[in-house]
Amino acid sequence: DAGITQSPRHKVTETGTPVTLRCHQTENHRYMYWYRQDPGHGLRLIHYSYGVKDTDKGEVSDGYSVSRSKTEDFLLTLESATSSQTSVYFCAISDFGQYYEQYFGPGTRLTVT
Amino acid sequence: GNSVTQMEGPVTLSEEAFLTINCTYTATGYPSLFWYVQYPGEGLQLLLKATKADDKGSNKGFEATYRKETTSFHLEKGSVQVSDSAVYFCALSVGGNTDKLIFGTGTRLQVFP
Repeated sequence: DAGITQSPRHKVTETGTPVTLRCHQTENHRYMYWYRQDPGHGLRLIHYSYGVKDTDKGEVSDGYSVSRSKTEDFLLTLESATSSQTSVYFCAISDFGQYYEQYFGPGTRLTVT
Repeated sequence: GNSVTQMEGPVTLSEEAFLTINCTYTATGYPSLFWYVQYPGEGLQLLLKATKADDKGSNKGFEATYRKETTSFHLEKGSVQVSDSAVYFCALSVGGNTDKLIFGTGTRLQVFP
């Protein structure tokens, strides 16, 4: 199994509070991604990174920011959490481009009350 | 734009039945196609992939053929097991400078003994 961990695995927070989710990899892969999974939507890309300090937006980036200061860590921040951000968040990594698979972390279940 | 359409679930089968999960896509250029599987409480795992027209991906008894003429990538298995119960996601990669995946909404498979 690819070495990807996510922390925390579960979190309950209140509306308006900041939240940071962490993805850590031990594979030295170049690309890292954050997705959210919601019923009826499959997985949707929030942000991705193609190298240290190189990040870009995905299809549902509003309300989220990311940072990547080291190859192994990719942080997702909700500056002011809202109930619509209640979801399961997955981190993924890949290395060589479009013909190669993405490896997924175990997910973080976030509930915003 | 680029998109993936999967049949809605759940698909409910008895053990040893034949499985088909339909997937069609819309894409510019020449995408790679993937099937991912998500077991309960886990992240996604790559099940199989195909990178060009007429390629057949196969793994663990599952197979899918990249049909450019019908823009389809249907997942099949000749004899399902209870342990195949999971959610299956069809996805495509459009390449470019990043390795972004576009997912279908997922199809839940339930196999009963």
